[in-house]
Amino acid sequence: AQSVSQHNHHVILSEAASLELGCNYSYGGTVNLFWYVQYPGQHLQLLLKYFSGDPLVKGIKGFEAEFIKSKFSFNLRKPSVQWSDTAEYFCAVATSGTYKYIFGTGTRLKVLA
Amino acid sequence: GAVVSQHPSRVICKSGTSVKIECRSLDFQATTMFWYRQFPKQSLMLMATSNEGSKATYEQGVEKDKFLINHASLTLSTLTVTSAHPEDSSFYICSAAAPRREGVGEQFFGPGTRLTVL
Repeated sequence: AQSVSQHNHHVILSEAASLELGCNYSYGGTVNLFWYVQYPGQHLQLLLKYFSGDPLVKGIKGFEAEFIKSKFSFNLRKPSVQWSDTAEYFCAVATSGTYKYIFGTGTRLKVLA
Repeated sequence: GAVVSQHPSRVICKSGTSVKIECRSLDFQATTMFWYRQFPKQSLMLMATSNEGSKATYEQGVEKDKFLINHASLTLSTLTVTSAHPEDSSFYICSAAAPRREGVGEQFFGPGTRLTVL
């Protein structure tokens, strides 16, 4: 069965620290990949997405992610986090040609001012 | 970007009553909508896939008689929680897929509905 793993469940960083959140999936075919953010009390917002092309994807708010096909990974990065990045981050994978997502378990990020 | 709305945003009901949640795609037509459930501090769990004009496809373990889904038009899907019980209290999120906008395979999420059953 397809699955999505986010190994970091809770991450605490100080402002200006660099961030990398892991996302691995298990599916051998072509995939579409997404990172979403959910701020406290708010709904899911798309940070970035990968369908094809350049495996380094830039998203909103200074986030980027790199698709490494050989590692089945789509890790999220930000060079310098801010207190306002405190939120929960979800990785999602859809097999190409479908709309059905498989979500990872989420990573709760807390940034200390 | 595509906008999806949900109504109501919060609902409190008594045990045994039924609650209807609406999900609308405001500026696009969605042939496929999804309903998720999110427990506190957990990820989204897909409950069902709703296709316009046909029966919903439920995920394993989701009671179709309890969670009635209707997708009567290309812009509206409804989830009815029938005979709600306290264990049905949760955050329900819908999403809509837009096949002709911003790429195939992307869902646009509603703001969610928090259901509390007393």
